[in-house]
Amino acid sequence: DAEITQSPRHKITETGRQVTLACHQTWNHNNMFWYRQDLGHGLRLIHYSYGVQDTNKGEVSDGYSVSRSNTEDLPLTLESAASSQTSVYFCASSGRREGSYEQYFGPGTRLTVT
Amino acid sequence: GNSVTQMEGPVTLSEEAFLTINCTYTATGYPSLFWYVQYPGEGLQLLLKATKADDKGSNKGFEATYRKETTSFHLEKGSVQVSDSAVYFCALSPRPRTSGTYKYIFGTGTRLKVLA
Repeated sequence: DAEITQSPRHKITETGRQVTLACHQTWNHNNMFWYRQDLGHGLRLIHYSYGVQDTNKGEVSDGYSVSRSNTEDLPLTLESAASSQTSVYFCASSGRREGSYEQYFGPGTRLTVT
Repeated sequence: GNSVTQMEGPVTLSEEAFLTINCTYTATGYPSLFWYVQYPGEGLQLLLKATKADDKGSNKGFEATYRKETTSFHLEKGSVQVSDSAVYFCALSPRPRTSGTYKYIFGTGTRLKVLA
């Protein structure tokens, strides 16, 4: 079965370190998204990609970057981790199914910046 | 612009009670509408969807009808179980052909707690 995976599931890092969160999907979807989820803010879009070599900023992109070198992967990099980036991060991919584009989510990565 | 508004939580119900979680939207054109469910410690899962006006999406006893006249997509279940305790998100997806985007607009989520 096709799936979307994220690694690591939990990460503790120190302020100022570079951190990369991995996202891998086997749906063969062109569209991929990164969200963060914080209490009181719901889901907020960080970056998204509509295909290889395509990346776009979402509503909370400062301090984050992504690259898309193949269809399956969209790694999210925190250039210099800050305590404000402590959050749960979700990756999603989307493809057309039964009349609409459905998004499928990974299990999430809980990141703590100390 | 596009937006989704859903009722504030938490919603606390006894087992076998009737559930309604309200969701209203604003959108240009004819979006698709979705309900997602998030169980503790997990990612979001698609619960049901509707792609055009008057469509009813249903799954696992949950239902929602796409009401264009009231711009609503309320989630209902006739008899909730403890296992339904989760956070529910309403979402909207504009038509990519007209909007040029595949992004979703999510509501803020409604936490449901069902007591035995």
